[in-house]
Amino acid sequence: NAGVTQTPKFRILKIGQSMTLQCAQDMNHNYMYWYRQDPGMGLKLIYYSVGAGITDKGEVPNGYNVSRSTTEDFPLRLELAAPSQTSVYFCASSSPQQGYGYTFGSGTRLTVV
Amino acid sequence: AQTVTQSQPEMSVQEAETVTLSCTYDTSESDYYLFWYKQPPSRQMILVIRQEAYKQQNATENRFSVNFQKAAKSFSLKISDSQLGDAAMYFCAYRSAGTGGFKTIFGAGTRLFVKA
Repeated sequence: NAGVTQTPKFRILKIGQSMTLQCAQDMNHNYMYWYRQDPGMGLKLIYYSVGAGITDKGEVPNGYNVSRSTTEDFPLRLELAAPSQTSVYFCASSSPQQGYGYTFGSGTRLTVV
Repeated sequence: AQTVTQSQPEMSVQEAETVTLSCTYDTSESDYYLFWYKQPPSRQMILVIRQEAYKQQNATENRFSVNFQKAAKSFSLKISDSQLGDAAMYFCAYRSAGTGGFKTIFGAGTRLFVKA
C-alpha cells in the first residue's frame, strides 16, 4: 500500500517555465488536496477535489491549475513559473471512513530561479 | 472564517519528560474535527491524533493525548515520556463537519526540540 505518491521530489524551474506536479493515491479516497508550505510557515490550500471531475479553488490558486480525471490522480499544473512559487508542495488525500485525517505525500521542493 | 492559532513558535523538552503544545481555534460551528500533525526533518507530514468535537472524551494515542476544551476553543497536545524522535514541527488543524467542510485549516506550527 503506497498511500500518496508525489513526483518529482525536487525541481528547479526557470522563470516562465511550466511544469506538472504529479500526485497519485491508491486508497480510493474521494478527497484530494494540494497545499504549499513556505519556509517556516504553515500550509496553505491551493486547490482541492471532492471526486473525479470536481475541483475547486483554495486560498492561493493563482498561477496554478488542476484536473481530476480519475479518483487516483490529482496533478497540479504550474504555468509561467514565478519566484513567488518557490515552495514545498504537498498533496494529500482523505476519506470519511478514516475520519477525514489527511494522508500526505512526501512533498515536492520547487525552486524558481 | 475559521482560524487556528498556535501561540508557541518553539518549545523544548528534556528527554523522558512531558510537554504540552497549545492550540486555539475560532469557529461558530458546533460540529468539527481537530487534528495534530507531525512534520519531522524528513518533511513527511504524519497524522498524530484526531478529535471529534461531539465527543467529550479526550483522544489518546500511546504517548500522545489531547486536552480538548470545546467552550474555550482550545485543543492542546500532550506528549509524555518525550523521545528524541519526537523532535519535529507540530501543526494543529481544524476541519468543519458541515456541508462544504472539505478543507482543513492549519496553524502556523510549533517546533519542538527534544534535549538528550
